[in-house]
Amino acid sequence: QPVLTQPPSSSASPGESARLTCTLPSDINVGSHNIYWYQQKPGSPPRYLLYYYSDSDKGQGSGVPSRFSGSKDASANTGILLISGLQSEDEADYYCMIWPGNVWVFGGGTKLTVL
Amino acid sequence: QVQLVESGGGVVQPGGSLRLSCAASGFTFGNYGMHWVRQAPGKGLEWVAFIRHDGSIKYYGDSVKGRFTISRDNSKNTLYLQMNSLRAEDTAVYYCAKDRLSSRGSYYFDYWGQGALVTVSS
Repeated sequence: QPVLTQPPSSSASPGESARLTCTLPSDINVGSHNIYWYQQKPGSPPRYLLYYYSDSDKGQGSGVPSRFSGSKDASANTGILLISGLQSEDEADYYCMIWPGNVWVFGGGTKLTVL
Repeated sequence: QVQLVESGGGVVQPGGSLRLSCAASGFTFGNYGMHWVRQAPGKGLEWVAFIRHDGSIKYYGDSVKGRFTISRDNSKNTLYLQMNSLRAEDTAVYYCAKDRLSSRGSYYFDYWGQGALVTVSS
């Protein structure tokens, strides 16, 4: 099964933006897949944030602020979660996921620290 | 509102068996596929198994294939995971999650339960 690569950690200050990446293996084209993002806080189950395929095909989870958005960098075969106007409550683990068909694959997760 | 409540977790010896249940409410259970996803202590998320809304199709992750069986009872709004030949590396919090169709025929998990802890240890 494919593995999605996420940096183990990232940090930013309140009010700044955080850019979290999710790199797909070379044999899976990021341009062909919806990239899903989940947020998980300690002791809680994951929460669905959003998905991104393209600027015209994307979706936000129920109640998820518009500060959370997705994009792709095709040249790096990478999905991106952008969190603008960081707040202390955004400190959490973030997981990306894809559905290549008949399996569901997560990245290893990025722990975001809001300094 | 959607509620998913797992039960059946506990401590089991290596080689033993355990069955998890997930009671669903707040949506028409029989219309949706369901999943089990696990998380080892301090680790990331790992998808375990999927079952189609009518039980006719099941998929499994490589690490549990042949040992775990997913099933459902739509009359009871309940999802199950039968886990056999358990290993220490199966120790994890097991979440049930509701399936949802996204754009372009892609599927994801939109609601999750609180999880049930399974510990495999002698």
